[in-house]
Amino acid sequence: GAVVSQHPSWVICKSGTSVKIECRSLDFQATTMFWYRQFPKQSLMLMATSNEGSKATYEQGVEKDKFLINHASLTLSTLTVTSAHPEDSSFYICSAKGLAEYEQYFGPGTRLTVT
Amino acid sequence: GQNIDQPTEMTATEGAIVQINCTYQTSGFNGLFWYQQHAGEAPTFLSYNVLDGLEEKGRFSSFLSRSKGYSYLLLKELQMKDSASYLCAVLDSNYQLIWGAGTKLIIKP
Repeated sequence: GAVVSQHPSWVICKSGTSVKIECRSLDFQATTMFWYRQFPKQSLMLMATSNEGSKATYEQGVEKDKFLINHASLTLSTLTVTSAHPEDSSFYICSAKGLAEYEQYFGPGTRLTVT
Repeated sequence: GQNIDQPTEMTATEGAIVQINCTYQTSGFNGLFWYQQHAGEAPTFLSYNVLDGLEEKGRFSSFLSRSKGYSYLLLKELQMKDSASYLCAVLDSNYQLIWGAGTKLIIKP
């Protein structure tokens, strides 16, 4: 149990376009999901916390107008990178919070390349 | 501020034992995690410690000392597939995960 999927697994887009990444909890309901970004050879950086039915909470330094997060249902959160630039190229990982406070289940990640 | 320290890189030999240390200073503590991450993949859960002591799970063990702000991950009978980054993360008082930078473990034949 506790499977989280992400789609797409990788995407290449042109500079200036927008890209949507989906994160789904397949066999459980997740009221809270997290979005992380990871640059090569670096650790995960929390971008935002997404709560179902409410606005996401963004970490300091993360532009909320550029990284749009929508958590419309208990099983789906989406991250839209708007007007993508090459510096947005990164590995984006979502995770979903389980029933216990300490439980967090990770999706497989989405590799975004902006050309 | 919140801080988690772990070595950047370690090298070990196949079949041997390696210990990866993690020290932390966080605002509150609700547990410490160890994750394994292979290149290009998302982290996978290895262990969770919230009480002091050693938790053993097969070839992997994790130790916690809350008074010292210290944990280690012990890997025994190393295999080539254990080559990966090992991430230490602490759940703070707000139940937010604070991540270390990860330790890249290189296994040599």
